[in-house]
Amino acid sequence: DAKTTQPNSMESNEEEPVHLPCNHSTISGTDYIHWYRQLPSQGPEYVIHGLTSNVNNRMASLAIAEDRKSSTLILHRATLRDAAVYYCIFNAGGTSYGKLTFGQGTILTVHP
Amino acid sequence: KAGVTQTPRYLIKTRGQQVTLSCSPISGHRSVSWYQQTPGQGLQFLFEYFSETQRNKGNFPGRFSGRQFSNSRSEMNVSTLELGDSALYLCASSHRDRASYEQYFGPGTRLTVT
Repeated sequence: DAKTTQPNSMESNEEEPVHLPCNHSTISGTDYIHWYRQLPSQGPEYVIHGLTSNVNNRMASLAIAEDRKSSTLILHRATLRDAAVYYCIFNAGGTSYGKLTFGQGTILTVHP
Repeated sequence: KAGVTQTPRYLIKTRGQQVTLSCSPISGHRSVSWYQQTPGQGLQFLFEYFSETQRNKGNFPGRFSGRQFSNSRSEMNVSTLELGDSALYLCASSHRDRASYEQYFGPGTRLTVT
């Protein structure tokens, strides 16, 4: 299975930007990069996804390297509610669709 | 739109029993995936259904099975429960079976096997 590598944990202060990195050197050309986060005692929540171009939505921005071997999730102004485990995942196309392979994720701590 | 719902939310069973968990996807979503989450193994994919057909299966024993109904609701069953089956079981739904579509997760069913 395709694999992503993320730092175990990161810390940020409230209202500061946060850059969460992810390495995915084995990604194939048709794999979408998805980010989910999981708040305590909840199911994972979709954050953002992309294929090749940088993406923005109301929650975050996703910057994808030109060679697609890495990406960065950007939270522009962290809030206490952003404290969660963040997962960077491949979502493969074709017959492997739906089989998200989660790594250990990055535990984000936000300090007031 | 209502989100993904899972029932029951909590369940306690005894070793050797069987259990059935239910998942109702977001209206209009036809793909449903199931995951097991434990502190030691993290989130692991169980299986995925689309239009009542199992499309993908993870590396779990045959005691774990599932099905999807014509209204896209899905159930998963675990027979002959073991202590190691204690976990949070999550289901996720998606509009299409395409990698460009995001998955929406339910709150999960917390299963405790004693």
